[in-house]
Amino acid sequence: SQTIHQWPATLVQPVGSPLSLECTVEGTSNPNLYWYRQAAGRGLQLLFYSVGIGQISSEVPQNLSASRPQDRQFILSSKKLLLSDSGFYLCAWTSGGGKRQETQYFGPGTRLLVL
Amino acid sequence: KQEVTQIPAALSVPEGENLVLNCSFTDSAIYNLQWFRQDPGKGLTSLLLIQSSQREQTSGRLNASLDKSSGRSTLYIAASQPGDSATYLCAVPPKYGGGADGLTFGKGTHLIIQP
Repeated sequence: SQTIHQWPATLVQPVGSPLSLECTVEGTSNPNLYWYRQAAGRGLQLLFYSVGIGQISSEVPQNLSASRPQDRQFILSSKKLLLSDSGFYLCAWTSGGGKRQETQYFGPGTRLLVL
Repeated sequence: KQEVTQIPAALSVPEGENLVLNCSFTDSAIYNLQWFRQDPGKGLTSLLLIQSSQREQTSGRLNASLDKSSGRSTLYIAASQPGDSATYLCAVPPKYGGGADGLTFGKGTHLIIQP
């Protein structure tokens, strides 16, 4: 069966510090991968998605970047965190290669607090 | 741009009641619609996915309906239990794209089932 991992689970960082959040998927090949952010009082917002190694699409201009160095690894980064980067970051995957959106499966999330 | 609205934002009912959660979307040309559950501080769990060609989908005590023409979906929960307490989210994929695009979410309905 497929499993999705995220780490760390919780992170407290000062403003201006760098960020690296990691997501890995097990039990599937060539998945589509997604990063979402859930901020207090706001809905889930899609940040990035990837259909393959090195292929990243950005949905929202921001202080963040994403990379996919391996088939089942998705990394969210920032060079200098802002207070507004605080939130709950969720990684998700779907089966790749299809033309229609199928069920998305979500990881446990990383709670980021920028002080 | 697709917008998803969920009503009510919060709901509190006694255990055993049947209840209905509502979701509406502005662009009716959707591939499918998903309902998710989110427990506090956790990731999302997929409950039901309704394809655009379907009108209903059932899983246990949950029944989701889809009316594309009116841009509405409902999630019916029968015989509610305290364990059903959570935030329920609906989401749709974009109309265009290669099938890998992320979902647009509503802000959710926060449900409390009173024992």
